[in-house]
Amino acid sequence: NAGVTQTPKFRILKIGQSMTLQCAQDMNHNYMYWYRQDPGMGLKLIYYSVGAGITDKGEVPNGYNVSRSTTEDFPLRLELAAPSQTSVYFCASRDGTGGYEQFFGPGTRLTVL
Amino acid sequence: QQQVKQSPQSLIVQKGGISIINCAYENTAFDYFPWYQQFPGKGPALLIAIRPDVSEKKEGRFTISFNKSAKQFSLHIMDSQPGDSATYFCAARGNYGGSQGNLIFGKGTKLSVKP
Repeated sequence: NAGVTQTPKFRILKIGQSMTLQCAQDMNHNYMYWYRQDPGMGLKLIYYSVGAGITDKGEVPNGYNVSRSTTEDFPLRLELAAPSQTSVYFCASRDGTGGYEQFFGPGTRLTVL
Repeated sequence: QQQVKQSPQSLIVQKGGISIINCAYENTAFDYFPWYQQFPGKGPALLIAIRPDVSEKKEGRFTISFNKSAKQFSLHIMDSQPGDSATYFCAARGNYGGSQGNLIFGKGTKLSVKP
């Protein structure tokens, strides 16, 4: 199992550009999450999904969009990138039955200049 | 309140010493308290977790102490090693309407263990 994979690892965007951060998991997990991590600020939930076709906003959704067309994939879309979106983005997943452990991907470091 | 307050922000411990990281919460509707460990350049990974009906859980050198009445929980790392140098996050799982069982994370503690 590859677990949770994220691409790209690094990206530099110009203000106003758009991009999609990719996330995939091969554990057949129902729940998937997108977090952003800023220095000294912990992990903030952007969006989450409880299954294919179902998504909902987290704590900091502004400026982002998601979709969940399959169980495996949960892409995060940034429209009109702003310097405030400079961050490290983590995708995570968990099984919807039983335990609450979230499995994290390796992250995408995004810089908006 | 939907916050988890974590302290200290950073911690330096000598090899072999005890590292202690504390977290406090307000919402009594949290039902699961995990600690995540994150090495530089990596994603967080679950280290140890506890539920509120237990006061202590130990896994190897790592122990969670949980004080339900004080709404506090802490991570103790015994015999700390340089390999334990990482950032540690506490978290709490909401079990109330609208929470969807999502985790709320503390701001993290950067632990450095000096040889």
